[in-house]
Amino acid sequence: AQSVTQLGSHVSVSEGALVLLRCNYSSSVPPYLFWYVQYPNQGLQLLLKYTSAATLVKGINGFEAEFKKSETSFHLTKPSAHMSDAAEYFCAVSEGDSSYKLIFGSGTRLLVRP
Amino acid sequence: GAGVSQSPSNKVTEKGKDVELRCDPISGHTALYWYRQSLGQGLEFLIYFQGNSAPDKSGLPSDRFSAERTGGSVSTLTIQRTQQEDSAVYLCASSFRDRDHTIYFGEGSWLTVV
Repeated sequence: AQSVTQLGSHVSVSEGALVLLRCNYSSSVPPYLFWYVQYPNQGLQLLLKYTSAATLVKGINGFEAEFKKSETSFHLTKPSAHMSDAAEYFCAVSEGDSSYKLIFGSGTRLLVRP
Repeated sequence: GAGVSQSPSNKVTEKGKDVELRCDPISGHTALYWYRQSLGQGLEFLIYFQGNSAPDKSGLPSDRFSAERTGGSVSTLTIQRTQQEDSAVYLCASSFRDRDHTIYFGEGSWLTVV
């Protein structure tokens, strides 16, 4: 069965510092992987996705993630945090053409200190 | 419309009453999903529609929950005899069923059962 583990329910960084949000997955087939962001009282917005093309995926708002099969990881990074990045981030996995639904991690709340 | 539209955005209901939540997907999207987001359970898949049929209802938590989709477009999630544990945000999402594999979410319906 598919599953997603996000290490750290809360991550706090200073404005301008590197952002690193961790995600590990398990899947019996090559996965599709996603990062979504949720701002307070809003729905989920897609940041980026991996669908078996390039392993380094660039998304919106300066975020990127690297698919590492050997580590079953898909960590999200941003070189320099901005106050507006404060939100909750969710990693999700699906089995691509063999399964349509997303299985989500428990989320990581990013706090950005001035 | 431009995005996935859900109504009502907020609903407070008394325990034991029935509620209906509506979702209007992005025009042309053949796939529609319902998820539930609650403090204790995170983001849970409820049901998936392809056109008007629901090949996967595995996430519906009990027989008090049902959903339908008509005309390959609008969907209604119905909760009968609501319980306090049904309090959550109900998120609807839609996508094309192709290799793009991007699922777009609405802003959710916040349900509070008192």
